[in-house]
Amino acid sequence: EDKVVQSPLSLVVHEGDTVTLNCSYEVTNFRSLLWYKQEKKAPTFLFMLTSSGIEKKSGRLSSILDKKELFSILNITATQTGDSAVYLCAVDLWNQGGKLIFGQGTELSVKP
Amino acid sequence: NAGVTQTPKFQVLKTGQSMTLQCAQDMNHEYMSWYRQDPGMGLRLIHYSVGAGITDQGEVPNGYNVSRSTTEDFPLRLLSAAPSQTSVYFCASSYSAGGSPLHFGNGTRLTVT
Repeated sequence: EDKVVQSPLSLVVHEGDTVTLNCSYEVTNFRSLLWYKQEKKAPTFLFMLTSSGIEKKSGRLSSILDKKELFSILNITATQTGDSAVYLCAVDLWNQGGKLIFGQGTELSVKP
Repeated sequence: NAGVTQTPKFQVLKTGQSMTLQCAQDMNHEYMSWYRQDPGMGLRLIHYSVGAGITDQGEVPNGYNVSRSTTEDFPLRLLSAAPSQTSVYFCASSYSAGGSPLHFGNGTRLTVT
């Protein structure tokens, strides 16, 4: 059975801290891995990763994929209260009609 | 650019009632899908469509029906609501079925009593 596991499930940090969120997967026909940020409403797209070892970066957020060890990490440096959200990891599979397999999410709370 | 629009935002139903959750996108995306989000279970795919006139079942399709008469609209019908269908429902669209990121609507919070 295809599965995606995120850790930790929740995390509390203070502004300015650096955090690392983990996503591991066991799937067949891996196509890509995606990260989303969810603040109360719609998940918003952060990154899509298809190749190992190539870091994707957007401001203070960065992510990398390891296809050999089957995991990805999402790093957030110099955290701000606006980073408080649930971060979702999802895996896209070949020949599955666009179905994404989501992890349970990591709830990040950044305290001032 | 509105993106993906879902209505209503909130709904309370009694067991056995039926209703339709509306979803429209203005990005000319071919692929549309419906997910439900439950605590501790992540997002799970209910139904999806790779283009107008084509629909297929996802992971948890029982109790739901969909149709895709136009590229823009993808309504989700609850045939006979059950308490197990209490959830947050998200409609999403993307350029293609896989290989491109999903764009989500703001969700419909449904409670079935």
